[in-house]
Amino acid sequence: GEDVEQSLFLSVREGDSSVINCTYTDSSSTYLYWYKQEPGAGLQLLTYIFSNMDMKQDQRLTVLLNKKDKHLSLRIADTQTGDSAIYFCAENSGYSTLTFGKGTMLLVSP
Amino acid sequence: EPEVTQTPSHQVTQMGQEVILRCVPISNHLYFYWYRQILGQKVEFLVSFYNNEISEKSEIFDDQFSVERPDGSNFTLKIRSTKLEDSAMYFCASSERAGPLTPINEQFFGPGTRLTVL
Repeated sequence: GEDVEQSLFLSVREGDSSVINCTYTDSSSTYLYWYKQEPGAGLQLLTYIFSNMDMKQDQRLTVLLNKKDKHLSLRIADTQTGDSAIYFCAENSGYSTLTFGKGTMLLVSP
Repeated sequence: EPEVTQTPSHQVTQMGQEVILRCVPISNHLYFYWYRQILGQKVEFLVSFYNNEISEKSEIFDDQFSVERPDGSNFTLKIRSTKLEDSAMYFCASSERAGPLTPINEQFFGPGTRLTVL
C-alpha cells in the first residue's frame, strides 16, 4: 500500500534554512502536500506541488520533487522561531484520501 | 476566516463505552473526513463522506465505527464499544471539492479531539 516516510526531528538556528525530506511510494499520486501543525491546532495546508512539476517556490518555501526517486523536500528559507511546528508530508492516495507521514518536528532556536 | 471546529477537545472514557466525537465543518464544504493519529504514529485516514454517504473508508474503519451528518452543520464519528487501542487524536476535515483531478484537494482540518480510553 501507500507509504510516506519522513525524518522525525530537525533543529535549526533562526535565520538558517531548514530542509525537511519525505519519501513516498505511490507513483500515481497527482498532488503532494506539505501540512503544518502548530501546538493545539489542526493541520494547515502549507503548500502543494503537482506531480508533473520539479519545483515550486512560494515566498520562503521551496518544494522540490524528484519523481524518479519518489522524494519530496520542503525548504524554508530564513527560518523563524514562529516556524517551529510539526510538518507533515502527504500524498493523495485515493479519490479523496490523503496518506500522511509521521511528521517532522522542526525546532527553531534563537 | 472560516474554520473546522471539533468538540470536545479531550474525551476520557472507559473501555467498552460508546463515544461520539463532534465536528462542525466549514459551511459551504461538501466533503467530510475523519483521520486519527495514535501517539507517535502517522496520521491515518478513517473515512470520507459525501452526499450523506460514505465515499471511502480504510481498514481501520470497521463495524465499531460509524459516521453521521445528523443536521446541516454537524458531522459525527461514533465508536460503539471503545478499545484501549482507540486512544488517539481524531481529526475532522472538510473540503469544498475532492478527487485527484481537481486542481487542489485542500482539506481543512480541525484542531482534533484527544480520545483516551482507560
